[in-house]
Amino acid sequence: QKEVEQDPGPLSVPEGAIVSLNCTYSNSAFQYFMWYRQYSRKGPELLMYTYSSGNKEDGRFTAQVDKSSKYISLFIRDSQPSDSATYLCAMLRTNAGKSTFGDGTTLTVKP
Amino acid sequence: GAGVSQSPSNKVTEKGKDVELRCDPISGHTALYWYRQSLGQGLEFLIYFQGNSAPDKSGLPSDRFSAERTGGSVSTLTIQRTQQEDSAVYLCASSGTAHPNQPQHFGDGTRLSIL
Repeated sequence: QKEVEQDPGPLSVPEGAIVSLNCTYSNSAFQYFMWYRQYSRKGPELLMYTYSSGNKEDGRFTAQVDKSSKYISLFIRDSQPSDSATYLCAMLRTNAGKSTFGDGTTLTVKP
Repeated sequence: GAGVSQSPSNKVTEKGKDVELRCDPISGHTALYWYRQSLGQGLEFLIYFQGNSAPDKSGLPSDRFSAERTGGSVSTLTIQRTQQEDSAVYLCASSGTAHPNQPQHFGDGTRLSIL
C-alpha cells in the first residue's frame, strides 16, 4: 500500500465550477502538506503549504487538512481553463527532508 | 529571480551508456533534492543533499545511480550503464534549508530516453 493515495482522475469540469482534489495518507508522521500544480513538460509549482489541521485560503484556492482522518483536500473556486494541469499532493515528516508525493490528478477545465 | 535550472532539458542515449544530469539550485538554498517521475506517475524520491553531504540516499534504485554536490551549489546525478527502465523525467528541487517548513522549488526536469 502506498503511503499517499490520490484520486488519479482524469477530472473534467466546465469553466466556473468548483473543483475538489483529494489525497489520503497512512503515516501519522506526516506533519506538513503541500499541493503542487504541474503543467505539461514543466516542473511542479508550489500552490499551497500547510502545517496544521484546518483550512488555508489563497485567492481561489483553499487547502484543507484533517489529520484525524488523514485526509487532505484542495478546492479551486471559479475554475479557469488556465487551471488545467496535473495537481500533486505532497507530504513531509518532521525529521526527513524528502517529500512523499501522490501520483497526481489531471484536471481539465473546459471553456 | 532565477529559479532551479536543469540541463540538459532532453537526453537520448543508447542502453549501456553513462549519462550525467546537472542541477543549478536557487542561489543560497542549502538543501537540494533529486526525484524521478515516470510517465503518468508521481514523483519518486532519489536523494537529498544538505550542503555537500547526502543524509538520505535511500531512494537511489541501484548502485548504477550516484550523485554529488560541490561547493554547496551545483549537483550532478550520474547513471552508469543505463537501462531502458531508467527512462523518465529527472527533477531537481531546492529549498532554503532541509527543515520541513521550507517548501521545495522545482526545475523543469531532464527528460531521459534510453533506446
